[in-house]
Order: sequence, then C-alpha cells, then structure tokens
Amino acid sequence: EVQLVESGGGLVQPGGSLRLSCAASGFTFSSYWMSWVRQAPGKGLEWVANIKQDGSEKYYVDSVKGRFTISRDNAKNSLYLQMNSLRAEDTAVYYCARGKSGYGYWGQGTLVTVSS
Amino acid sequence: EIVMTQSPATLSVSPGERATLSCRASQSVSSNLAWYQQKPGQAPRLLIYGASTRATGIPARFSGSGSGTEFTLTISSLQSEDFAVYYCQQYNNWPQTFGPGTKVDIK
Repeated sequence: EVQLVESGGGLVQPGGSLRLSCAASGFTFSSYWMSWVRQAPGKGLEWVANIKQDGSEKYYVDSVKGRFTISRDNAKNSLYLQMNSLRAEDTAVYYCARGKSGYGYWGQGTLVTVSS
Repeated sequence: EIVMTQSPATLSVSPGERATLSCRASQSVSSNLAWYQQKPGQAPRLLIYGASTRATGIPARFSGSGSGTEFTLTISSLQSEDFAVYYCQQYNNWPQTFGPGTKVDIK
C-alpha cells in the first residue's frame, strides 16, 4: 500500500525557517517524480515544487523561489521541503504527492502557520 | 504562467442528476490536464489525468473530455459521496497551476 506521511509543520514567526519531511513507503520511491502542493486555510490548491527521480531537476512556483528548496533522499525514501524566510502568506497545509503528471497519491498534509 | 479558470464556482445538483464542470486554460495545455476531488478535511483525490483517462479505482460515472484550452468533467449520475470541491490542474508547463475549484453541493 502506497503511503506518504508528512511531518515537520508547526507555528513559526515571520522570517523563520522550517523543514518539512515526507516519508514514503509501498512503492519504489526512486522511480517517481515527487511534488509539494499547499492549501491555505479555506482556499484552493497551489502547486509549490517538483523534483525529478534523481534530484537533477527541480521546479518551483515563483512565490517561493529563492526561499524554499525541495530535495530528496532516495536511500531513506524521503522527500523534503526546506522553507526559509517564511511569510504570513506561506501559512497552509502542505501536502506531498507522488508524480508530476497527475498526482495519484497524497499524504494527509502538515499545517504550517506563520505568525508572530 | 498558465491561468486556469473553472465554472461555475458552485453547482447545485440533485442526487441522480448529471453534473457538468468546465475548466479553461489561458493557453493550450494539450491533453496535460488532471481533475481532482476534495472533501472537507481530506487530501485531494485524483479522478482524471491526460484529460480523459480515469485514475485507478475511479467509478465510470466520472468522465473527462477536451484538449487544448477547453475541458469538461462530467459526473453522469451524482451520488451522495460526490458532493465535494473539484479542481482542474494543468501539468503541460511549469509552473503547474490549479483552477480555483467548483463546489458541487446538494440542491
């Protein structure tokens, strides 16, 4: 059974940093693109970033470029999102998802709240 | 950036009726379009990818059509579990973008 479990969310002050993790199981992690998608409270879905199977290609939404870094460790079956210089508008549930052409599997999400 | 729009914002439908949801892209995305269903407090669920291919385990009452800039999700006979928010997403270009969603509620 495919499972994606996010962790690392919480309350952080503006300008602060957080590192989100996504533990994957039930499939060959190294064979898939992986993605982060976020959803602000009461709002729609926003794609954040993609990473290729070997980490050689990474793509970001403009609003997080230079502040967020997506990475992966295929040996640990884990996906990461390092978030720096956080802003109030980054407050959202962050989901990891498998793939890049239609996300067939999603985690349950982890809430990031940026507030003083 | 490709902007996705969805209409209507809210669709009120009676159980058993047909629902037709529209999604439009600001430029062609070929057939690189997906549809998702999301219920409150849950992660989205992939329904359709490649504009018209049902994902694994998705009932046949869900169908997708279109290409280029105009797309449609049709639910042939609404069941109680289908009342939810539906999003389209293009993955033809980066940044990938989602539409704002259509809420399907009970009439």
